[in-house]
Amino acid sequence: AQSVTQLDSHVSVSEGTPVLLRCNYSSSYSPSLFWYVQHPNKGLQLLLKYTSAATLVKGINGFEAEFKKSETSFHLTKPSAHMSDAAEHFCGVIDHAGNNRKLIWGLGTSLAVNP
Amino acid sequence: GAVVSQHPSRVICKSGTSVKIECRSLDFQATTMFWYRQFPKQSLMLMATSNEGSKATYEQGVEKDKFLINHASLTLSTLTVTSAHPEDSSFYICSARDPGTGPYQETQYFGPGTRLLVL
Repeated sequence: AQSVTQLDSHVSVSEGTPVLLRCNYSSSYSPSLFWYVQHPNKGLQLLLKYTSAATLVKGINGFEAEFKKSETSFHLTKPSAHMSDAAEHFCGVIDHAGNNRKLIWGLGTSLAVNP
Repeated sequence: GAVVSQHPSRVICKSGTSVKIECRSLDFQATTMFWYRQFPKQSLMLMATSNEGSKATYEQGVEKDKFLINHASLTLSTLTVTSAHPEDSSFYICSARDPGTGPYQETQYFGPGTRLLVL
């Protein structure tokens, strides 16, 4: 069965410092992995995705994530946090089993950016 | 990325009335759309998968007669909350599946959400 674990429910950083949001997954198949960001009372915006191509994925707003199969991880990073990065971040894995492919979600990590 | 719209963004209704929420994929065709519910400070809970031209697939514990889903075209899915009660108050979000060029290329794009308040 697919599952996603976001290891930190809350991360706080100072503006201009690096960001690391951790995500581990379990999957019986070759996974597709995603990071989305959600600002308050908004929908989810795709930051980046891994879909069996390059293991280092570059996304929008300066975010990156590296797919590490041996560690079953897909951690999200950014070299320098900006105030606008403060939001809820969700990691997800696509369950490719069957025809009804669902996105399995982590519980989310709330990122706070301090001035 | 692809754009998904959702309407209305906010709705307040009286207990016992029905509310319809629309989800549209604006620049791609979506044979599959998803409806989620999100409680404050929580992750998304998948309610159902909406398939164009066929019946929706509901997750365990979601009442299909309560949450009616219609996916009549490749760009529109609707969720109707029937006989709404205060406990149905929540943030409802839809997404549309863009299949990309293959099974590992698919991506879900999300609408902006609908805040439902039932008085």
